[in-house]
Amino acid sequence: GIQVEQSPPDLILQEGANSTLRCNFSDSVNNLQWFHQNPWGQLINLFYIPSGTKQNGRLSATTVATERYSLLYISSSQTTDSGVYFCAMRGETSGSRLTFGEGTQLTVNP
Amino acid sequence: DGGITQSPKYLFRKEGQNVTLSCEQNLNHDAMYWYRQDPGQGLRLIYYSQIVNDFQKGDIAEGYSVSREKKESFPLTVTSAQKNPTAFYLCASSIWDYNEQFFGPGTRLTVL
Repeated sequence: GIQVEQSPPDLILQEGANSTLRCNFSDSVNNLQWFHQNPWGQLINLFYIPSGTKQNGRLSATTVATERYSLLYISSSQTTDSGVYFCAMRGETSGSRLTFGEGTQLTVNP
Repeated sequence: DGGITQSPKYLFRKEGQNVTLSCEQNLNHDAMYWYRQDPGQGLRLIYYSQIVNDFQKGDIAEGYSVSREKKESFPLTVTSAQKNPTAFYLCASSIWDYNEQFFGPGTRLTVL
């Protein structure tokens, strides 16, 4: 199946800083999502982005499918951005399963 | 309010007991999924259903069972055959398979 690698595994920022999270994958994809898991465990949809670029407020994401990576940008970070960020995707040969990366643990300090 | 609900939020089970986790959605989605998350890890697919009265095994189906009698409901039973059931269980749905998935709030299961 598809292999998904996220980096960095941990990231500590001061409030107001910018950051870039990366997701590399091993196969062509037809579905790629970014999630934020809050401290209560809820997975919040950030982007559905199998290709191209999208922006939503302080967050934006870019997927370059031909080079098999996706980036999540967080600008002017806030303490409420803390949590775990996951990318997940469905490979073209994976059937119905979303394969998740191991996540990036983000801590934003005041 | 449209969404996915899971109950209970916390569940404690004695070894050897079966337990059923509830997942309901009112989004009119055809596809539903169950995932398991262990501490510090990503999610892994247990079972999925593309349509009523049909479901397929995911990557870690051993020791679990599901049913899909109604479009809105996809309960998961954790049986005594599941060797290490303590985990966080998340249910998801999508309009149809191969589309964006949305997740419920999860159920934390602890086996005592």
